[in-house]
Amino acid sequence: GQQLNQSPQSMFIQEGEDVSMNCTSSSIFNTWLWYKQDPGEGPVLLIALYKAGELTSNGRLTAQFGITRKDSFLNISASIPSDVGIYFCARQLGIQGAQKLVFGQGTRLTINP
Amino acid sequence: KAGVTQTPRYLIKTRGQQVTLSCSPISGHRSVSWYQQTPGQGLQFLFEYFSETQRNKGNFPGRFSGRQFSNSRSEMNVSTLELGDSALYLCASTWGKMAGGLDTQYFGPGTRLTVL
Repeated sequence: GQQLNQSPQSMFIQEGEDVSMNCTSSSIFNTWLWYKQDPGEGPVLLIALYKAGELTSNGRLTAQFGITRKDSFLNISASIPSDVGIYFCARQLGIQGAQKLVFGQGTRLTINP
Repeated sequence: KAGVTQTPRYLIKTRGQQVTLSCSPISGHRSVSWYQQTPGQGLQFLFEYFSETQRNKGNFPGRFSGRQFSNSRSEMNVSTLELGDSALYLCASTWGKMAGGLDTQYFGPGTRLTVL
C-alpha cells in the first residue's frame, strides 16, 4: 500500500554524466517528494510535486510526477562531485494536519572524478 | 535562522540501558517528527508531536516514546536498548498547520546511536 520502490539502489558514474532514478508505488497518491542526504546530515528537500504530470526543475535537477500518479523520476544533468549522496523519494501523509513521511529505500550516487 | 538541532550527535550505550535524545525545532515550528534510519530498514517514521501532544505514531514497540515541551523542543526515549536499536535518529520540524494541507519537513543532522 504505502511502500515505495526506488531504483536503482546505487549508481556509479563519471563526473559530467547525467543521472536518472525513479520511484514507483502500487497505490495512487497526491504528492511526490525528492530528498537528498549528504553523509553525516539529515535529508534535505530538493523538489516537491503535487500534481499528476507536473515537471519541476531545481537547477540541474528535474523531477516529474507520473500521469498515473504511481511513479516519479528524478534526473540530474551534468553531475558534479557535490551531487554525491543518497537520494530518496517520499510521500507525505497528512491527516488533520498530522505529518508523516514514507520514504523509498534510497539511491546511493557515487561519482568518479 | 537556525536550523533543526539535535543533541547529542553521537552516543554509545550498552544493551538494557535507556537513552534520551533531544531535538530543537526551527524557531516558530510547532511540529516535531522523529525518524529512525538503519541500513536494513531505511528511514522509518517513529512519531510526531504538535503542541505537546502526540499526533501520529509509527509501528514501533512501546520502548520508544517521546514528548514535546511548551517551547516545541522534543525528546525521544528508548528504554531497554537492544542491539537492533543502533541507528541514526533524525528529527524534523514543520509549522504543523492544524487545518490540513502539507508543509515541508526540515531535518536535523541526526543522533548516531550505537548499542553494544
